[in-house]
Amino acid sequence: QSALTQPPSASGSPGQSVTISCTGTSSDVGAYNYVSWYQQHPGKAPKVMIYEVSKRPSGVPDRFSGSKSGSTASLTVSGLQAEDEADYYCSSYVVSDYYVFGTGTKVTVL
Amino acid sequence: QLQLQESGPGLVKPSETLSLTCTVSGGSISISNYYWDWIRQPPGKGLEWIGSIYYSGTAYYSPSLKSRVTISIDTSKNQFSLKLSSVTAADAAVYYCARHGGAALGRAFEIWGQGTLVTVSS
Repeated sequence: QSALTQPPSASGSPGQSVTISCTGTSSDVGAYNYVSWYQQHPGKAPKVMIYEVSKRPSGVPDRFSGSKSGSTASLTVSGLQAEDEADYYCSSYVVSDYYVFGTGTKVTVL
Repeated sequence: QLQLQESGPGLVKPSETLSLTCTVSGGSISISNYYWDWIRQPPGKGLEWIGSIYYSGTAYYSPSLKSRVTISIDTSKNQFSLKLSSVTAADAAVYYCARHGGAALGRAFEIWGQGTLVTVSS
């Protein structure tokens, strides 16, 4: 099972939006709506930002939104803020009861 | 508030077995619809799911690691454990324990431990 494909980097100025893609296959992203997104600051554990493609856990700003089309999921961060600078990973449930993460995207706030 | 804490040796010799324990505090490990996971991250690299276990003892493993991994649970101690055999330098990583909800709860890794760094060296 290969990792989901994400762009290595993305950037935007404060207040702008950035969108990160996460491409899988018909066995993972394309098969289920169990796609989640994680934010990881340096030296810290990941934090879930989106689950089930587009749902936000309590406490996550509504600047974070998710969507999916076919085997590609996307995370959009609107109104970029300095604290949004971090690594972001997608994850998907896979046929046969396991999970796969994306390759990760470093978001830079210019 | 539920918290997870990893513990175990920070240094393992090549070909030996890596053993880590995750202690759950602030709640019971024997809760239905939640699964307990091990996830690792080599230095400077991405996340890799290793496997998970339900309080009943049913375990699920990554196909790429299945031959070397055993995850067990001790509900009396509110702990679950990871054993990874025949380690090589490629197994050096920060190892996280985490929890995810089942199908009705979104299947997201919602709670994470702080992580523990394991180095593989003789």
